[in-house]
Amino acid sequence: GGIITQTPKFLIGQEGQKLTLKCQQNFNHDTMYWYRQDSGKGLRLIYYSITENDLQKGDLSEGYDASREKKSSFSLTVTSAQKNEMAVFLCASSIRRNTEVFFGKGTRLTVV
Amino acid sequence: QQQVRQSPQSLTVWEGETAILNCSYEDSTFDYFPWYHQFPGESPALLIAIRPVSNKKEDGRFTIFFNKREKKFSLHIADSQPGDSATYFCAASDYNQGKLIFGQGTKLSIKP
Repeated sequence: GGIITQTPKFLIGQEGQKLTLKCQQNFNHDTMYWYRQDSGKGLRLIYYSITENDLQKGDLSEGYDASREKKSSFSLTVTSAQKNEMAVFLCASSIRRNTEVFFGKGTRLTVV
Repeated sequence: QQQVRQSPQSLTVWEGETAILNCSYEDSTFDYFPWYHQFPGESPALLIAIRPVSNKKEDGRFTIFFNKREKKFSLHIADSQPGDSATYFCAASDYNQGKLIFGQGTKLSIKP
């Protein structure tokens, strides 16, 4: 088995601040994803990376940047945090595209 | 950009009944259709998935019915148990694009 580790678990930021969320997986999976989940709502795709040197925008990419530093790690940057923003950011990975996706435990963001 | 639509938003059934959750999609290139469930405080986890070569997939009490012509698929949970109470997400992906798009979720409650 493997694990997806997201850091930090909780993140409190100031309005306008640049914030970085990190994700590491030891599954040796090719494909990694970042999703945003707002309370009681669905998962919206922010960025994904099919292989180590790939980076693709999802439907919610505006306001975010992402970086696939190596096969095992995928980071997400909130370029300018919005006041009263609250959401859980979920990192996920799959062995390749179109296969089972495994999720990390999430980073809960609060912007004050 | 709502490419995967899910209904109902919430559903309550009695223990022992069959719960039916519905999804529809727009993009005819989608070729992988999983269902995930999410318990409170946890991350989503794969429940069952289907590819368009089949119009039905069973795993114990869980069955996916797939209608390619109408671009619809549904999850049937037979003999519902209180432990099935969770939020269920359908999703769809396209091998060429590689992104996995989720529906808005159905909150399922099973009454004992």
